Amino acid sequence: QQQVKQSPQSLIVQKGGIPIINCAYENTAFDYFPWYQQFPGKGPALLIAIRPDVSEKKEGRFTISFNKSAKQFSLHIMDSQPGDSATYFCAASNRYNQGGKLIFGQGTELSVKP
Amino acid sequence: KAGVTQTPRYLIKTRGQQVTLSCSPISGHRSVSWYQQTPGQGLQFLFEYFSETQRNKGNFPGRFSGRQFSNSRSEMNVSTLELGDSALYLCASSRDPTDTQYFGPGTRLTVL
Repeated sequence: QQQVKQSPQSLIVQKGGIPIINCAYENTAFDYFPWYQQFPGKGPALLIAIRPDVSEKKEGRFTISFNKSAKQFSLHIMDSQPGDSATYFCAASNRYNQGGKLIFGQGTELSVKP
Repeated sequence: KAGVTQTPRYLIKTRGQQVTLSCSPISGHRSVSWYQQTPGQGLQFLFEYFSETQRNKGNFPGRFSGRQFSNSRSEMNVSTLELGDSALYLCASSRDPTDTQYFGPGTRLTVL
């Protein structure tokens, strides 16, 4: 029940395309859903995060869509660029009961071709 | 503002040895969490400290331990190293346990 399932494992798109990465969870106590971006040799960097009372959130070219009833959320990258090539992780936590314990998905390796 | 710093960045040890990794959080952050990242298991939560107290612990054996000092700096220790402990160990800091976590670059541990 603590798992977060992420798909696909890898994704290749052309420049300007809109890659979509999906995550699903079981634990309805999760109340915080961040997405992290990781480049080789670096630590994960926070991209965008959403709470379950919001269905969509946009920050620049990154959009999170959240479906509370389906217990699913997804990341869309608009007008993708080669510089977006990285590994993306979704995560979830029950902040007020379990604080900083983030449960991560397995990651999606994104490649944006020029 | 300086980010999360971790030392050392790279470490090579042999089986049976022990290792100590250090993490300095962002100034003003009092919460530190540790994660292990491997290709097979992904990112897994190790433990979380806030105000020098361990608040949460992940599903790792007792060989993995940590502590936090009064200046919020944290260390984690792995005793009796095994080959399977080879991983990137990441530290993340936040103002408090409910706030956004910011990750450091990690310490790459190789156990031979």
